[in-house]
Amino acid sequence: NAGVTQTPKFQVLKTGQSMTLQCAQDMNHNSMYWYRQDPGMGLRLIYYSASEGTTDKGEVPNGYNVSRLNKREFSLRLESAAPSQTSVYFCASTPVWGNTEAFFGQGTRLTVV
Amino acid sequence: EDQVTQSPEALRLQEGESSSLNCSYTVSGLRGLFWYRQDPGKGPEFLFTLYSAGEEKEKERLKATLTKKESFLHITAPKPEDSATYLCAVLPSALRLTHNTDKLIFGTGTRLQVFP
Repeated sequence: NAGVTQTPKFQVLKTGQSMTLQCAQDMNHNSMYWYRQDPGMGLRLIYYSASEGTTDKGEVPNGYNVSRLNKREFSLRLESAAPSQTSVYFCASTPVWGNTEAFFGQGTRLTVV
Repeated sequence: EDQVTQSPEALRLQEGESSSLNCSYTVSGLRGLFWYRQDPGKGPEFLFTLYSAGEEKEKERLKATLTKKESFLHITAPKPEDSATYLCAVLPSALRLTHNTDKLIFGTGTRLQVFP
C-alpha cells in the first residue's frame, strides 16, 4: 500500500521553464491538496480539490495551476518557473473534505535557478 | 489574523530527559488542533487531533494536551528515534462552513533532537 506518491523527488529548473508535479493516492480518498514548505514558514496551501471534478485556490495560488485528472491523481503545474517558487512541495489527501487527518507524500524538492 | 506559533524552534534532549513542546494559537474559534511528525526528507505524518480544552491524547511516549490558548506535546523519556520536527496545525471556526473555510493553519515546527 503506497499511500501518496509524488514524482519527481528532485528537480532543478531554469527561470521561465515549465513543469508538472505528479501526485497519486491509492487510498480512495476524495480530497487532495498541494502545499509548499519553506524555511521559517509553515506549510502553505497552494490549491486543493475537495472532490473529483473540483479544484479551488488555497493561500498561495499565484503562478500555479492544477488538474484533478481522476479520483487518484492531482497534478500541479508551474507554467513559467520563478526563483520564488524554489521550495519543497507536498501533496496530501484526506478521505473527505474537512477531515484533516491528512496523508502526505514524500515531497518534491524544486530549485529554480 | 489567525496565527499559530510553536516554541522552541529547536530542542536538544538527552535520551530519557522528558520535556514539552508548545503550540500557541490565536484564532477566532477553534474547530480542531492537529499534531504531525515530520522526518527529514519526508512528508508530515499525522499524530493527534484535539477538539476541546481539557482533551488529552496519548501515543507511546507522546501525550498531547489542549487549553483554550495553547497545546502541549509532552515527550516522556524520549529515545533517539523520537528525533524529528513536530508540526502543529489549527482548523479555525467559521460562521458558514464552506470549502474555503476548511483550511489548516500550520506552525513552523519544533525540531527535536534526542541524543543517546
